[in-house]
Amino acid sequence: AQSVTQPDIHITVSEGASLELRCNYSYGATPYLFWYVQSPGQGLQLLLKYFSGDTLVQGIKGFEAEFKRSQSSFNLRKPSVHWSDAAEYFCAVAAFPYSGAGSYQLTFGKGTKLSVIP
Amino acid sequence: GAVVSQHPSWVICKSGTSVKIECRSLDFQATTMFWYRQFPKQSLMLMATSNEGSKATYEQGVEKDKFLINHASLTLSTLTVTSAHPEDSSFYICSARDPRDGDLLGQYFGPGTRLTVT
Repeated sequence: AQSVTQPDIHITVSEGASLELRCNYSYGATPYLFWYVQSPGQGLQLLLKYFSGDTLVQGIKGFEAEFKRSQSSFNLRKPSVHWSDAAEYFCAVAAFPYSGAGSYQLTFGKGTKLSVIP
Repeated sequence: GAVVSQHPSWVICKSGTSVKIECRSLDFQATTMFWYRQFPKQSLMLMATSNEGSKATYEQGVEKDKFLINHASLTLSTLTVTSAHPEDSSFYICSARDPRDGDLLGQYFGPGTRLTVT
């Protein structure tokens, strides 16, 4: 079964500093990977996704993520954090529940809470 | 992008009563919707996959008689928590796949419903 590990429960950075949120996955086939952001009391917003091709993926709000198959990782990065980036970030891997399934399921990591110091 | 709404956003009910949560795709027809449950400081746990016009597929450990899911139309899925108890208090989030996106794009998430059972 697939799984996602986000090793950091809580990260605090200063505004303007760079950010890297770690994500490691376990999946037997080619992974389809996502990063979502959740603001307090809100649903999840898709930041970016990786299916194939270029291993460096650009997303919204200035975020990017790099897929490294050898490390089973899909870390999220941002060169300069803004106070509005404070939120919970979830990494997820998609898997089809069975061969020929028309839809996939998402397995989420436990999330990393980002706090930003002004 | 596609928009998914949920209603209500917050509900308090007495133990033993039932509560219905609605999930609507506002600008697309969603053949597949998903229901998740999120505990405080925890990840999202998939409860069930809802396909329009057919019975929902529940994940292992989820009581189908307690969490009734109805996907009666292409834009509406409902989750009814029957005979609610305090341990059912949680944040319930739905998501939907927009078939216009093709097979492998991210799901669109609703803003969630906070259920408190007293």
